[in-house]
Parts: sequence; structure tokens; C-alpha cells
Amino acid sequence: EIVLTQSPATLSLSPGERATLSCRASQNVGNNYLAWYQQKPGQSPGLLIYGASSRATGIPDRFSGSGSGTDFTLTISRLEPEDFAVYYCQQYGEPPWTFGQGTKVEIK
Amino acid sequence: QVQLVQSGAEVKKPGASVRVSCKASGYIFSHYVIHWVRQAPGQRLEWMGWINAGDGTTLYSQNLQGRVSVTRDTSANTAYMELSSLRSEDTAIYYCARGYGPGSYCFPWGQGTLVTVSS
Repeated sequence: EIVLTQSPATLSLSPGERATLSCRASQNVGNNYLAWYQQKPGQSPGLLIYGASSRATGIPDRFSGSGSGTDFTLTISRLEPEDFAVYYCQQYGEPPWTFGQGTKVEIK
Repeated sequence: QVQLVQSGAEVKKPGASVRVSCKASGYIFSHYVIHWVRQAPGQRLEWMGWINAGDGTTLYSQNLQGRVSVTRDTSANTAYMELSSLRSEDTAIYYCARGYGPGSYCFPWGQGTLVTVSS
């Protein structure tokens, strides 16, 4: 199965700063079928990005995804107070679909 | 709007089975798949399996070693996930989520169902 490793585990930043989250796959993710989700405490994950770089409906343009093959990045250009949460990447290119262990973006 | 509403929290003893339901609304149920994903305390999200709500085709994670079964009732727009031979390690929040097809991302997600396995 494809193992996804996210880094860093925790990112301590201030509102207005730029956040760069990494997701590395143990093997090529077919068709760049890589999604990013945001999860806040007590809530279900919410889709941010699919197909590595396509923003889901209603997602602000400060969120962007990039990358291909085995290396993917989620960038939040300017952190808003509501962006402090845990972010997961997921590959859906081949079964079993797998998730990264998450990156927590916390207020510095 | 598209919505998935799951059944309530469950407490089970080791060795028992649990069934969680996921009722869909706001779209044509049979045109999509339903994924099941769980999140144990302090662990990453784990994909368990999916069902094609149209033809009933299923695919399961081999990690669950035949303990999981996903079914659907198209007349009720509801999918079900049953997990058997429960162990303490199965304590988790179980989510259903809609997918566009077998190889698809998950959107949206249900609210989650807490299953606690304890003697």
C-alpha cells in the first residue's frame, strides 16, 4: 500500500503568515489522485483540494495545492484565525486509499 | 444540500459486532459510492472500504481481515457498515463519506459515529 508521510507534524505560526505543508508518498500516486482535508476539533474532515491542485467548491483561494508523483504541497498563503486545524493528505489512486498522519497548524 | 447522517454512538463488548448506518439525502444515492473511514484516538484516518450504491459492488481493506461488511438499502438511501469480532483497538470514530467512483476523494463526510469497545 502507498504510505503517506506528512511534515512537519506541527507548524506554529501567527495569523497572516504563510503555511507550507508537505505530503510525501512511498510510491507514485497515480493520476495525481491526491486530496487534502482540514479537520477541526469535534468535526468531520472537510475537503480542501482534490487532484493535487483543484480547490473544492467554496474553498478560499488562499489555499492551494501543488506537486505530482510522490511529492505534494498544501500552501495557505495568509493564515486566518479559522485556518488553525489539522490537515490530512489522502491518496485515492489505488486501493487501499491511505491518509497521512496529519499536520497540526497551531497559533504561535 | 448533500448530507450524510449517521446513527448514534455505540458501546460494545469485545467479540461483539456493531452496525453503523449512513443515510444520504440531497442527491441520487445510486449514482455514487459510499466510503467508510475510521479514526482511532491518536491515529491517522484509516480507509475501511466502499460500496457502489448503484450495483452493490464492494471493496474492503485487507487490513480488516474479513471483519468488515458494507451493504446498502437503495429504497432507504442508506448504507451500512458492520464490523465483527470487535477488539479494544476498534474503538474509534467511524465516518461515512460520498465518493464519485471507486477512485475518488471523499466529499462530503457524515458527522461520525463513536464506537467504544470495552468489557
